[in-house]
Amino acid sequence: NAGVTQTPKFQVLKTGQSMTLQCAQDMNHNSMYWYRQDPGMGLRLIYYSASEGTTDKGEVPNGYNVSRLNKREFSLRLESAAPSQTSVYFCASSEAPGGGYGYTFGSGTRLTVV
Amino acid sequence: RKEVEQDPGPFNVPEGATVAFNCTYSNSASQSFFWYRQDCRKEPKLLMSVYSSGNEDGRFTAQLNRASQYISLLIRDSKLSDSATYLCVVNGRGYSTLTFGKGTMLLVSP
Repeated sequence: NAGVTQTPKFQVLKTGQSMTLQCAQDMNHNSMYWYRQDPGMGLRLIYYSASEGTTDKGEVPNGYNVSRLNKREFSLRLESAAPSQTSVYFCASSEAPGGGYGYTFGSGTRLTVV
Repeated sequence: RKEVEQDPGPFNVPEGATVAFNCTYSNSASQSFFWYRQDCRKEPKLLMSVYSSGNEDGRFTAQLNRASQYISLLIRDSKLSDSATYLCVVNGRGYSTLTFGKGTMLLVSP
């Protein structure tokens, strides 16, 4: 039972490069989320998708775009990476918007922008 | 008031001790409450939901006080394996997402 799978696990980018973080869940969940976690800042919501076909901004959306490709997959794109985007990125999913039964998280992507 | 506030700790306790964490939240209309556990360099994992009547899962007890807008987690008979960061989680504004506290670090020593 895979749950939420994120790829890649680690990535180093140069400033200005672009990349896409992939996330897929096999729990038939409707809602998916992207968070970043920085020391002392906790988990901050970047974007979320309450259901297939919808996406909304979270607390820190600048510099990112997302695509809800289908019910299973939700990708996060950095168009022009900046050192301030060095962080650990977590994807999560939930059965319903608002996570009434909680979220299931992927294992994270550790991104360093140099 | 921040949406979800926690004492960052660390709480240093010996094995076998009882330790309690509190968390306050700002949105009086919040409906969903959770405690998550996060080990170093790992993803957060759901520890337990928090219900209005309070709930217990083995050595862990969670309480909700809606009037004062705080949530508590009590850990009895601490184990070395309980060392982790504990995140308080509440419905965000608009109820479409969850808001995470910054976490309280617990260190259990032999």
